[in-house]
Amino acid sequence: QLQLQESGPGLVKPSETLSLTCTVSGGSISINNYYWGWIRQPPGKGLEWIGSVYYSGGTSYNPSLKSRVTLSVDTSKNQFSLKLSSVTAADTAVYYCARHTNAEAGATFDYWGQGTLVTVSS
Amino acid sequence: EIVLTQSPGTLSLSPGERATLSCRASQSVSSSYLAWYQQKPGQSPRLLIYGAFSRATGIPDRFSGSGSGTDFTLTISRLEPEDFAVYYCQQYGSSPPMFTFGPGTKVDIK
Repeated sequence: QLQLQESGPGLVKPSETLSLTCTVSGGSISINNYYWGWIRQPPGKGLEWIGSVYYSGGTSYNPSLKSRVTLSVDTSKNQFSLKLSSVTAADTAVYYCARHTNAEAGATFDYWGQGTLVTVSS
Repeated sequence: EIVLTQSPGTLSLSPGERATLSCRASQSVSSSYLAWYQQKPGQSPRLLIYGAFSRATGIPDRFSGSGSGTDFTLTISRLEPEDFAVYYCQQYGSSPPMFTFGPGTKVDIK
């Protein structure tokens, strides 16, 4: 059974960089036709896609966050990572990592991590 | 950018009743790229429906999806106690690659 687990600081100061890692177990991150994404959810609000990365390193980003987001992948550790720079209180959210299928298979998120709350505060 | 609108915001029903949730897109969406998720408090979203109509693995047949173009519907034929949750629709656009979620519909117990 594929499992995803987010890790990283739960508290980040304003203007600093939020860094999270997602560790994939029960399967390889280096699998064709699947992508690895980040989605966030502010407390009491809806879901927002941040971006996705392929095991080869290719990326796609939400245009509204693109200038502040960097995604990367480490196949040797079966991990992928998120960096979000210049954070403000508006970036406070539960951050989920998830796997999604490619467009040919419908581009849906079929496996999710449990989520990790990141609070931006001084 | 395609915007998804979901209605109603909250649906108050009793167990055994039928739930009909709507997802409307600001422009036409390929049915292949329309999905529905269920999220319970403190949990991650769970994929219910993909390709507008197809149930994900392990999803009971009381959940069904329909629609095309700009109007899509998730129907729960007979609500079970475990179905009270928030439901999100999601669409994928390929140029550029972009995922968009609707604001959600909360189904709560009447």
